[in-house]
Amino acid sequence: KNQVEQSPQSLIILEGKNCTLQCNYTVSPFSNLRWYKQDTGRGPVSLTIMTFSENTKSNGRYTATLDADTKQSSLHITASQLSDSASYICVVVSANFGNEKLTFGTGTRLTIIP
Amino acid sequence: KAGVTQTPRYLIKTRGQQVTLSCSPISGHRSVSWYQQTPGQGLQFLFEYFSETQRNKGNFPGRFSGRQFSNSRSEMNVSTLELGDSALYLCASSFLDGGNTEAFFGQGTRLTVV
Repeated sequence: KNQVEQSPQSLIILEGKNCTLQCNYTVSPFSNLRWYKQDTGRGPVSLTIMTFSENTKSNGRYTATLDADTKQSSLHITASQLSDSASYICVVVSANFGNEKLTFGTGTRLTIIP
Repeated sequence: KAGVTQTPRYLIKTRGQQVTLSCSPISGHRSVSWYQQTPGQGLQFLFEYFSETQRNKGNFPGRFSGRQFSNSRSEMNVSTLELGDSALYLCASSFLDGGNTEAFFGQGTRLTVV
């Protein structure tokens, strides 16, 4: 069964600190892995999309890593800001003969406190 | 360039009623997907349309249906509403037919069933 597990469920850190969110998956066949940021009451916004051959991808203060062998990904946030408070969702995409299937993690709720 | 537009933003319905939600994708995008998001279940895939054809379907009962028009706008219909249908319904559009293309989400429609 395709599954995406994220940890921790929630995280509270001080403004300016770094943090790392984890995503483990059992999805096959693997096509790509995506990290989304979702502010409360809004739709998710894409942060990164990583394919099998990509180990690291950055988007400003966000850096995603992918280990396709161990089926793990992480999202590292550097020098956190209050605006980083949001839910971060890991999505793993499998593709079979052009048909895409998305498996979503339940997200990590990140709160940045001043 | 306008983003993905979902209407209405908020909706209150009573059990047994039916509801239609609308999604206008980004101009030029032909793929539209629908998701249900609840606090307990996270994001769950409902269905995907491409060029007016349903290409993928999630594990939801037949009360949930959708369609896509020739201008790529999509509607989702839920009949015989149940209390458990209360959720944020999100629509996402993408340019190409699957692959690693980024999906852009709308703000969602918050449906409350009373």
